[in-house]
Amino acid sequence: GNSVTQMEGPVTLSEEAFLTINCTYTATGYPSLFWYVQYPGEGLQLLLKATKADDKGSNKGFEATYRKETTSFHLEKGSVQVSDSAVYFCALSDRNSGAGSYQLTFGKGTKLSVIP
Amino acid sequence: NAGVTQTPKFQVLKTGQSMTLQCAQDMNHNSMYWYRQDPGMGLRLIYYSASEGTTDKGEVPNGYNVSRLNKREFSLRLESAAPSQTSVYFCASRTQSGLVTQYFGPGTRLLVL
Repeated sequence: GNSVTQMEGPVTLSEEAFLTINCTYTATGYPSLFWYVQYPGEGLQLLLKATKADDKGSNKGFEATYRKETTSFHLEKGSVQVSDSAVYFCALSDRNSGAGSYQLTFGKGTKLSVIP
Repeated sequence: NAGVTQTPKFQVLKTGQSMTLQCAQDMNHNSMYWYRQDPGMGLRLIYYSASEGTTDKGEVPNGYNVSRLNKREFSLRLESAAPSQTSVYFCASRTQSGLVTQYFGPGTRLLVL
């Protein structure tokens, strides 16, 4: 079956530090990959996405590259801000899972805290 | 365009009580989903509905029922709540074409005593 593994948190960084959150996946087909962000007390918001190998998703200074050879989709940001404090979820969607329902399989989430 | 809305935002139940969580979307999406979020577990799929009139079980369906009332609305019912159902529940709907993407509601925080 499909699965997503992301680095354990929590992660605490100083403002302007470099961020990497590792994510690797296992999938039977050719999945699309996503990063979702959850700010305190809110629902999940799509941060970025990629559909095929070597695609780079980017948004709000965050980037992730779909690496088929290493089955990875690591999230990076060059200079984090206090406002980036949130929980980040890596996820995949495979059209072959759930009878074509495009179900999302999530990692367990990584909590990021950025301190001034 | 409100996106995905959920009611209530917070609920406290006693063991054995029943309740229905409501979800609605105004994006004309066919597919809708119910997830639960527990600490250290990420999000797990409870039920989904690929289209109006159809529903299917996800990863953790036991103790829940769903109704796809119409294209807009997808409700989740707990017939006899248990403390193990204490969780945050999220509803989502997804786009139909292009890069299929799920959009989430703000969540319902449920506490079962």
